[in-house]
Amino acid sequence: NAGVTQTPKFRILKIGQSMTLQCAQDMNHNYMYWYRQDPGMGLKLIYYSVGAGITDKGEVPNGYNVSRSTTEDFPLRLELAAPSQTSVYFCASSYSRTTEAFFGQGTRLTVV
Amino acid sequence: KNEVEQSPQNLTAQEGEFITINCSYSVGISALHWLQQHPGGGIVSLFMLSSGKKKHGRLIATINIQEKHSSLHITASHPRDSAVYICGYRRNSGGSNYKLTFGKGTLLTVNP
Repeated sequence: NAGVTQTPKFRILKIGQSMTLQCAQDMNHNYMYWYRQDPGMGLKLIYYSVGAGITDKGEVPNGYNVSRSTTEDFPLRLELAAPSQTSVYFCASSYSRTTEAFFGQGTRLTVV
Repeated sequence: KNEVEQSPQNLTAQEGEFITINCSYSVGISALHWLQQHPGGGIVSLFMLSSGKKKHGRLIATINIQEKHSSLHITASHPRDSAVYICGYRRNSGGSNYKLTFGKGTLLTVNP
């Protein structure tokens, strides 16, 4: 029972590089979320999706893009990495608005 | 102003003590979530509640919708309870009810 799987676990990027953080869930959840967690700042919502083909911006979307072509996958794209994007990124999913959320193990990203 | 306020920010206890972590919010919500995050680890959902009280082992979560307040209690605390405890909510109206908003967390350290 995999739950929410994030890859990679760690990554170091150079300024200006691009990368995709992968998130997959095998629970047939409709809702998926991307958060970033900075020390002392809590979880900030980047993007979310309520189903395949539907995405929307959260609190801090600048510098990121997402897509949701399938129910299972919700990748997060960084096009031009900046030091301000150094953070720990968490993907989460839930079946509906009234059910609990499940989180992935996180991706620790450093931009140098 | 953070929409979710947790107190205390840091809490140190001795093994066996009864612990209370508080969460206050300022909007109408449909559900409140409590999460646990161990140092360097992933995030686990502890509770999701919309009224009353829920209990799981030594953990108890309560919510007072009228007062916009929730508490997380840990009975007979143990060093393995040392973690960050995060409170969050889902709003009950408008487009924002798809989003999960979280506080900054409470760092709990339980000493043996």
